Amino acid sequence: GIQVEQSPPDLILQEGANSTLRCNFSDSVNNLQWFHQNPWGQLINLFYIPSGTKQNGRLSATTVATERYSLLYISSSQTTDSGVYFCAVPQREYGGSQGNLIFGKGTKLSVKP
Amino acid sequence: GAGVSQSPSNKVTEKGKDVELRCDPISGHTALYWYRQSLGQGLEFLIYFQGNSAPDKSGLPSDRFSAERTGGSVSTLTIQRTQQEDSAVYLCASSSRGHADYGYTFGSGTRLTVV
Repeated sequence: GIQVEQSPPDLILQEGANSTLRCNFSDSVNNLQWFHQNPWGQLINLFYIPSGTKQNGRLSATTVATERYSLLYISSSQTTDSGVYFCAVPQREYGGSQGNLIFGKGTKLSVKP
Repeated sequence: GAGVSQSPSNKVTEKGKDVELRCDPISGHTALYWYRQSLGQGLEFLIYFQGNSAPDKSGLPSDRFSAERTGGSVSTLTIQRTQQEDSAVYLCASSSRGHADYGYTFGSGTRLTVV
């Protein structure tokens, strides 16, 4: 099945710093999502980004589907950005609708004040 | 509802007992997913419901695990004869087919502890 690898596994930043998280996947996909899991365990969908670039405030994401990777950029990091960031791709599609997602192991981000 | 609701939020059970975990998806969402997350690990797919289609059960780890979805809405995940390795956070998500954004919305999870 499709493999999803994220790097780095752990990242420590000083508040205000910028960072780039990477997600590599082993097969072509038409759907990729980024999630943030806060320290209390809640998973929040950040981006649905099968290709191209999207921005939401201090966060942006770029997926280059032909090269099988996606990047999540965090600018001017804040302590509230701490948590684990997951990327996920579909295991398979069902008649065009979304099938289940396969998650990477995540990047654990700690932002220090 | 406004979000995906899961209950209970925490469950402690004795080894060998059966447990039922409930998920109430966003109204109108046709797809519902169950995942579990062991401590410090990523998310492991369990089962997927899409509309009236037969569910994809390929992720269920053993025949002690089962799930149903009644009326295309609420889902119940049942674990029979629980074992200590079943301890994990069980997460439910739903998504809407037909929208441009197919993003998942997750519930807050049920933390299951088998003692």
